[in-house]
Amino acid sequence: AQKVTQAQTEISVVEKEDVTLDCVYETRDTTYYLFWYKQPPSGELVFLIRRNSFDEQNEISGRYSWNFQKSTSSFNFTITASQVVDSAVYFCALSEAGDGGSQGNLIFGKGTKLSVKP
Amino acid sequence: DTEVTQTPKHLVMGMTNKKSLKCEQHMGHRAMYWYKQKAKKPPELMFVYSYEKLSINESVPSRFSPECPNSSLLNLHLHALQPEDSALYLCASSPLGLAGTLQETQYFGPGTRLLVL
Repeated sequence: AQKVTQAQTEISVVEKEDVTLDCVYETRDTTYYLFWYKQPPSGELVFLIRRNSFDEQNEISGRYSWNFQKSTSSFNFTITASQVVDSAVYFCALSEAGDGGSQGNLIFGKGTKLSVKP
Repeated sequence: DTEVTQTPKHLVMGMTNKKSLKCEQHMGHRAMYWYKQKAKKPPELMFVYSYEKLSINESVPSRFSPECPNSSLLNLHLHALQPEDSALYLCASSPLGLAGTLQETQYFGPGTRLLVL
């Protein structure tokens, strides 16, 4: 069965520190997709990245970077030089391709609350 | 334009009221979703519409009644709710994947904060 684990419930850092949010997933499918969403206090879930299981290349977008390692079933997210505006709950999610019979709907981790203090 | 809009932003209702939540997207997406999110929890899927037809109902009580009048609109009709139904209700939309699967990126609206008294 598919599962997403975000072991860090809350993280608190001081502005300009680097921070890594961990995500470990379980799936039996060979084709699947991994996502990160940001949820600021306003409530909207903001899409950050989607990765498919065949693309292990790490990605960088500004201060954000993602490290996908199939060998450890992890998809970690690093924020470099954190800012107060990065304070939010971050969700990692998994979607299977559906060829194993699932509909492919999103399975969310429990989220990591990041607080960046000035 | 990756925008999903939801109205109202906030809603307070009594247990005997009937109200509706509305969601709209103009991205041409053919899958639309309702999620319920309690405080400090991840979103929980309630319903999925694919090609305007209900494709997933996650055993949601009948006091929640979804409706998809067209490919851009999604409603959630509420009747005889309980205080424990108080939550953030999120709408999302996505393209459909091959064979109508749901693994494409979902884009979420800002949500409706519902309080049932």
